[in-house]
Amino acid sequence: EPEVTQTPSHQVTQMGQEVILRCVPISNHLYFYWYRQILGQKVEFLVSFYNNEISEKSEIFDDQFSVERPDGSNFTLKIRSTKLEDSAMYFCASSEARGSVQPQHFGDGTRLSIL
Amino acid sequence: GESVGLHLPTLSVQEGDNSIINCAYSNSASDYFIWYKQESGKGPQFIIDIRSNMDKRQGQRVTVLLNKTVKHLSLQIAATQPGDSAVYFCAENVNTGNQFYFGTGTSLTVIP
Repeated sequence: EPEVTQTPSHQVTQMGQEVILRCVPISNHLYFYWYRQILGQKVEFLVSFYNNEISEKSEIFDDQFSVERPDGSNFTLKIRSTKLEDSAMYFCASSEARGSVQPQHFGDGTRLSIL
Repeated sequence: GESVGLHLPTLSVQEGDNSIINCAYSNSASDYFIWYKQESGKGPQFIIDIRSNMDKRQGQRVTVLLNKTVKHLSLQIAATQPGDSAVYFCAENVNTGNQFYFGTGTSLTVIP
């Protein structure tokens, strides 16, 4: 069964540094997403991406964050000037594009630890 | 200030029994719902979905029930197995966008 893959599985970074989290969505999916889950809290939506542009973003997704589809297979989340509170699990998801919203399939996440 | 983690509801069932996990959703305009299973160290795994034009949908060993009147969703797992032990989340979507809002989650433990 096709799956979403994320790398690295764990990223440790000094506060103030930039990180790039990488995702390879399911190949025939056209919608891509990033969610985060702070330890012990709910999964929270960050951003959705379709047709090479952001289609929706939450209030969490401020100027510190950016996303990119650098080639035909990868989807990245960049976090600039990382803060302690950015420590969380970051999940990438993808879904098909049809007339109505479709199930989102998630990767196993990147655990981001900011020191 | 100090952030406080959510206190997950927990459910313990004997292997072979049926499990029922409940979810109260927040937005009366939500019209698409998904149940996800999350095992330790993994991402949410799609189990079953239901749209608001239905009140019941069945999969393999799982059934989702939707009561729009009281904004309630339930997941029934038949003949629960040890491999079903995980945290279960309901997620709701308002069909004006693609973002899902996740619930708090319920931790299911299956006792062999």
